[in-house]
Order: sequence, then structure tokens, then C-alpha cells
Amino acid sequence: AQKITQTQPGMFVQEKEAVTLDCTYDTSDPSYGLFWYKQPSSGEMIFLIYQGSYDQQNATEGRYSLNFQKARKSANLVISASQLGDSAMYFCAMREGETGSRLTFGEGTQLTVNP
Amino acid sequence: GAVVSQHPSRVICKSGTSVKIECRSLDFQATTMFWYRQFPKQSLMLMATSNEGSKATYEQGVEKDKFLINHASLTLSTLTVTSAHPEDSSFYICSARGSGQQFYGYTFGSGTRLTVV
Repeated sequence: AQKITQTQPGMFVQEKEAVTLDCTYDTSDPSYGLFWYKQPSSGEMIFLIYQGSYDQQNATEGRYSLNFQKARKSANLVISASQLGDSAMYFCAMREGETGSRLTFGEGTQLTVNP
Repeated sequence: GAVVSQHPSRVICKSGTSVKIECRSLDFQATTMFWYRQFPKQSLMLMATSNEGSKATYEQGVEKDKFLINHASLTLSTLTVTSAHPEDSSFYICSARGSGQQFYGYTFGSGTRLTVV
């Protein structure tokens, strides 16, 4: 079974609007971490935001926020006030267990911001 | 913040030759290194995990004799693609975790685009 599922291969958004990128996960480990990364065409992986399984509040980092719904096992990324530079591939990833474990990545969502 | 320098960024090699990719942690000690491969428009697939001073643990289906990983020091890990073939052409990227990093810290290199001709 897929551990991380991103159901949107591609998303389009108008500049200055908000967009939500979906991510669902599957794990039986009570301790896990969820990550979002941005990968522009250059290939580098840019860390955006992190949510721990025991965190009570949704994570926020500037224009990025993570809508963490534990019971539904979803960790959607919300990007507010989209900018042209946000056009990139976005990956959701999960770390199961304690620190030091491997990351498992979803298939990614290609986001295009239109002017 | 933590930085991992990955070289080369691009390499073209002839079929049958070997290519070495280096990842260096510049300002922290990388106790664990993860090596990923990414085909165009696909996700990152973990190839192997290495801990400093130990043999790498390879994922199922990854040939350990073809993809040699060395993690002999806390600041350097290398991936050597031996006897490369066109099907090995891909984007290879490393990710390091180290002592003292925040618990969610995975630092990625900038990746190596390998083309085998």
C-alpha cells in the first residue's frame, strides 16, 4: 500500500490566490513526521514545512501552512498569496518512527502559477 | 543552516565507465546519508542508507555491486555508479542527517544529473 499519496499530478492557480495541495498518508506508527518540499526545475529540494504527529497545532511558515487532520491521515499544504516563483513540483514526505529514519515521498504535484 | 555540497551537478559518461558522486556536509557531521534516484517527472526513490563507518543498507531491487556507497567520514559520502549504462541515466540526490540537527532536519544536496551515452 502507498504510504504517501498525492492525488493531484498537476494544479493551476492564479497569482495572488491561495492553493491547497493534497497529501494523505498511511502508518501504524504513533510517532511520525510529515514534510513538504518544493523542487524547482533545477532539482534542488527545498524544505518548506514540518508537522510532527504529536504536534497540537498546525504548522505554519510564512505563506505556507499545513492543514493536519490526524484522524483523516491528511496533511495538506496551503500556499497563500501564490507567486510566480511558486511554480514547481511539490512533494509530501513522511518519516515513520523516531528521528533518523528514512523519508518516504509521495508522487508529487506540479504546481503552475499563472499571471 | 546545515549545508550539503553535492558534486558534480551534471555529468555525461560513456557506457561502461564508472562515475563517482560526492556529498559533503559543510557545517555539520553527517551521521546518516540517504541516496535517492529520481527519474523525470517521478518521485524520489530511496536507493540506500549509510551510516558513517558502516556498510550501506540497500533498498530492495538496488544492486549494491553496481551502486557503491562509501561513508568513511562524518563529512563525506560517495556514490559510485559502476559500469554505467544508459538506463542508469537519472537524477541522483543525497540527503544527510547529523548529530545536533533539529529533529526534523534532513539536508539535501543539490543533485547530480547523470547521462550515460
